Parts: sequence; C-alpha cells; structure tokens
Amino acid sequence: AQSVAQPEDQVNVAEGNPLTVKCTYSVSGNPYLFWYVQYPNRGLQFLLKYITGDNLVKGSYGFEAEFNKSQTSFHLKKPSALVSDSALYFCAVRDSGANNLFFGTGTRLTVIP
Amino acid sequence: DGGITQSPKYLFRKEGQNVTLSCEQNLNHDAMYWYRQDPGQGLRLIYYSQIVNDFQKGDIAEGYSVSREKKESFPLTVTSAQKNPTAFYLCASSIWADKQETQYFGPGTRLLVL
Repeated sequence: AQSVAQPEDQVNVAEGNPLTVKCTYSVSGNPYLFWYVQYPNRGLQFLLKYITGDNLVKGSYGFEAEFNKSQTSFHLKKPSALVSDSALYFCAVRDSGANNLFFGTGTRLTVIP
Repeated sequence: DGGITQSPKYLFRKEGQNVTLSCEQNLNHDAMYWYRQDPGQGLRLIYYSQIVNDFQKGDIAEGYSVSREKKESFPLTVTSAQKNPTAFYLCASSIWADKQETQYFGPGTRLLVL
C-alpha cells in the first residue's frame, strides 16, 4: 500500500525568507515522488519529481526538494519566498509496483509581504 | 494547464440529473485520469484510462461513468447515483519520460448541485 502525508495544513512565511513544505511517504517498493502547485480555481501544475539519482531535485520557479530515504521524506524548499508563491501545494507518490499516483491532502502556503 | 482543456468551467446539476464533464488533450498522451477534489481531502482518483477503449475504476468510481473512444477525449459522466457530487473535478493526462510517468492537469470543472 502507498500513502503520503503532509503534516501541515498551513504554512506561513515572510517574503524573502526560506520556505519548507513537508511531505512523508510510505510505499512497499521504490518511491516515485512528485510536487504539484495549485492556484485558486485552477488545475495542478507540475513542479518537480524524484525518480532516481541525485537526492536533491530542482524544479520550476526556483523550487527544489530533497529525497531522504531513511526518513521517508520529500520536503519542498525554496531559498527565498515570493508573495506569488502563495498557493496550495500537493505531494504525490507512486509505488514502483503501482499504476497510479496517491496525493497528500495539501499544504496551503501563505507568503506574507 | 498546457494542452489539456476541460469544459465547462462551472456546471450546475439538478437532483436526479446526469451531467457530463468534458476533457480533451492535444498532447498525444496515452493515459488520462479523472480526479475529484474536496476541501481538506486532496485528490481522489475516480477513473483512469491507459489506452483507447479501455478504462479502469479508481478509488471512488461509484456514481460515475467514463468512455475513451478517442485518444484525445475522456469524458466523465456524473450520474444520479452520485449522491454528493459537489466538488472540483480535475482531468489529467500523462506521458512516460525518464522511465516514469508525469501527469499534467487541466484547469478543472466545478460542479454544483441546485
């Protein structure tokens, strides 16, 4: 079985400060991990993914995520937050033996000017 | 949102009525998906199709039906059997790259019950 947890419903950060949005996962095989962002009344936009290789993955809009196998985590990070980063962020996982993505419940990021 | 379109943007359903949500993609993707999004629950998979003329139930297929007669199109029908249809519906399609599949999403349709 696969599952993903986003322990924080809401994250607030001041503009210019670093941000972290947390994600932990559980799979029986090898994990394939994804981050998506959703702006109000819009679909999800793909940010980045981890398949294999370097544990630090760089994606769109200056975001990056670090895969940590021992902690089963895939936290999303950005060195300097922008007000325009305010949105709903979803972590998703696919088990190597599964067909489909399993999504977390989302974390709402608010960047305060 | 790329080459995936969903229509309409808003849809109103009367009690006992079937309604159909459209999803079209011009990305030449093989696989297509329908998700339902409710506040605080993330996305839940309704149906998916990996190839034309074939589709599989997801986690919450009851009260929904789909068809995949063309590669570009994957319409979702919300039937009268779906007792709580009010939600935001997202369609996605996917392509394999780097030995893995990445899903891309349409802009969504918000369904409301009158």
